[in-house]
Amino acid sequence: EAQVTQNPRYLITVTGKKLTVTCSQNMNHEYMSWYRQDPGLGLRQIYYSMNVEVTDKGDVPEGYKVSRKEKRNFPLILESPSPNQTSLYFCASSSLGTGVTYEQYFGPGTRLTVT
Amino acid sequence: KQEVTQIPAALSVPEGENLVLNCSFTDSAIYNLQWFRQDPGKGLTSLLLIQSSQREQTSGRLNASLDKSSGRSTLYIAASQPGDSATYLCAVRGKTSYDKVIFGPGTSLSVIP
Repeated sequence: EAQVTQNPRYLITVTGKKLTVTCSQNMNHEYMSWYRQDPGLGLRQIYYSMNVEVTDKGDVPEGYKVSRKEKRNFPLILESPSPNQTSLYFCASSSLGTGVTYEQYFGPGTRLTVT
Repeated sequence: KQEVTQIPAALSVPEGENLVLNCSFTDSAIYNLQWFRQDPGKGLTSLLLIQSSQREQTSGRLNASLDKSSGRSTLYIAASQPGDSATYLCAVRGKTSYDKVIFGPGTSLSVIP
């Protein structure tokens, strides 16, 4: 089954404790992206990647890091989480090849609480 | 900077009505526009994607149109059903397939039986 998976689905942590949220897709997609969703602010793109070792900042990259060492994986790293990073996080992927629809497919989300 | 808005913010209709959701964007230089639905506490489900060269796309009771020059897209839902109740989001991708994606704030739809 074609899917985007994220782990963990729920995470409660404390300020300053480094964490990683994993994202993996099995569709051989080139484009992968991280978003956060907050009440009243909607979905905002954090980082995106066009292919292995190629990443770029979205609209809210501060406080986050990403890496793309393999095509299928795109982890989101919070090196020193703060309470304002409490949010619902989504990973998404889409193909960039010719003759494709470029639809984004979303993971189920990770609810992060930083105390 | 691209900005995406959606009107109305919320909509409540009786079952069976046809309805239109609106999405507007400030920069007409987009690569594509995608409509999603999101159920409470859930992820996003793709509904329709329109490439910048297309004018509309249809899937079942859904029809999405795109007028790039005026910076507008509409999602038409025919014969609405209670199961259509959800938040509907539009998202635009920038000038190329490699570009940023900007989401609108969404329209919360409630279809009353």
